[in-house]
Amino acid sequence: GAGVSQSPSNKVTEKGKDVELRCDPISGHTALYWYRQSLGQGLEFLIYFQGNSAPDKSGLPSDRFSAERTGGSVSTLTIQRTQQEDSAVYLCASSLVPRTSGLAKNIQYFGAGTRLSVL
Amino acid sequence: GESVGLHLPTLSVQEGDNSIINCAYSNSASDYFIWYKQESGKGPQFIIDIRSNMDKRQGQRVTVLLNKTVKHLSLQIAATQPGDSAVYFCAENGADSNYQLIWGAGTKLIIKP
Repeated sequence: GAGVSQSPSNKVTEKGKDVELRCDPISGHTALYWYRQSLGQGLEFLIYFQGNSAPDKSGLPSDRFSAERTGGSVSTLTIQRTQQEDSAVYLCASSLVPRTSGLAKNIQYFGAGTRLSVL
Repeated sequence: GESVGLHLPTLSVQEGDNSIINCAYSNSASDYFIWYKQESGKGPQFIIDIRSNMDKRQGQRVTVLLNKTVKHLSLQIAATQPGDSAVYFCAENGADSNYQLIWGAGTKLIIKP
């Protein structure tokens, strides 16, 4: 497809289990973002990948969260030992290169998200 | 059912009327602003953007206004339709980062028939 694809769309897991969430960005987009959105809330930045540069992990809430991006394309967000407070929608977005001048844009294109429920 | 209204500001508008959604941004150094629409169960979808060297930009049925003096952004939707029902987010990008968007809390738009 032409858009950002995320899988699974829904994930129910038990407290303490590990989960992996997948994101397929738009082809040709070098930048990839993960966000978390709790019910009725805005978007919380988690991590950013750009090409071969070191990722910006400043938004990861704890060391139980990690992400990788293989081959500059597909990304996986892993949550270890899930807790109930991890329940949220996890959104992935991709974009072309980040802004390098005031004339450039930063339009991020989002997938539909993975709804994670930790019981 | 959805309970996002418990936390989100809500705007109720009669179908056919114009909607105005407001956003106060945080960083006076921000020079790029963007509006997204998020329908229930979907990811945010780009609507329109504006650079800080402009104070108004129009799209199809939407207009974004930027007032840098008071750090205020608004999204106007003309002739609101049922399909406009969604949560609307503003976001800013600026001097601190060339990729991080700073997101607003969102406003839920409800269309009354």
